[in-house]
Amino acid sequence: EADIYQTPRYLVIGTGKKITLECSQTMGHDKMYWYQQDPGMELHLIHYSYGVNSTEKGDLSSESTVSRIRTEHFPLTLESARPSHTSQYLCASSETGNYGYTFGSGTRLTVV
Amino acid sequence: QQQVKQSPQSLIVQKGGISIINCAYENTAFDYFPWYQQFPGKGPALLIAIRPDVSEKKEGRFTISFNKSAKQFSLHIMDSQPGDSATYFCAARGQTGANNLFFGTGTRLTVIP
Repeated sequence: EADIYQTPRYLVIGTGKKITLECSQTMGHDKMYWYQQDPGMELHLIHYSYGVNSTEKGDLSSESTVSRIRTEHFPLTLESARPSHTSQYLCASSETGNYGYTFGSGTRLTVV
Repeated sequence: QQQVKQSPQSLIVQKGGISIINCAYENTAFDYFPWYQQFPGKGPALLIAIRPDVSEKKEGRFTISFNKSAKQFSLHIMDSQPGDSATYFCAARGQTGANNLFFGTGTRLTVIP
């Protein structure tokens, strides 16, 4: 079944740790996105990719980085986590010519 | 700057009633207006969408009304059911960059039996 997977679902880590949030999709979509979502707030785009070896920063400034070495994989990395990074991170993908996004279930990150 | 403004923030409706959520935008270059439904612990899922050349789109109990001149669009949920209780996001698609979606702040809908 075509889908988009995010791991881990929940993560609690200490300040200063390096973390990578995983996102994989099996639909062959060329575009992928990372959104940050806080309670009661809209989804903010932090990174996107048009395809392999293409990454761009989104509207919301973020200290995270992303890579797109394979079409299906779009991991997000925080080199040194801080409490201000506590949030839910949503990964999404879409196909060129198709305006709909498919979202993963999200990773809820807590930095203590 | 918030590209899409959504109201209300929360909404409580009796079972069988009509739920109405409103959104407004400023950028006339937006060309696609979807609504997403999000249940707790899940990512948003596309519910229904409309393009600006159409004033209304209906899918089952869900209807989008679109007013291009007022730059407003709304979601109507007819015969609301407890299973409709979720957070609803409106969005608008830009025509620059990756044609990204700009989301509203969300409306938490609770349908009481």
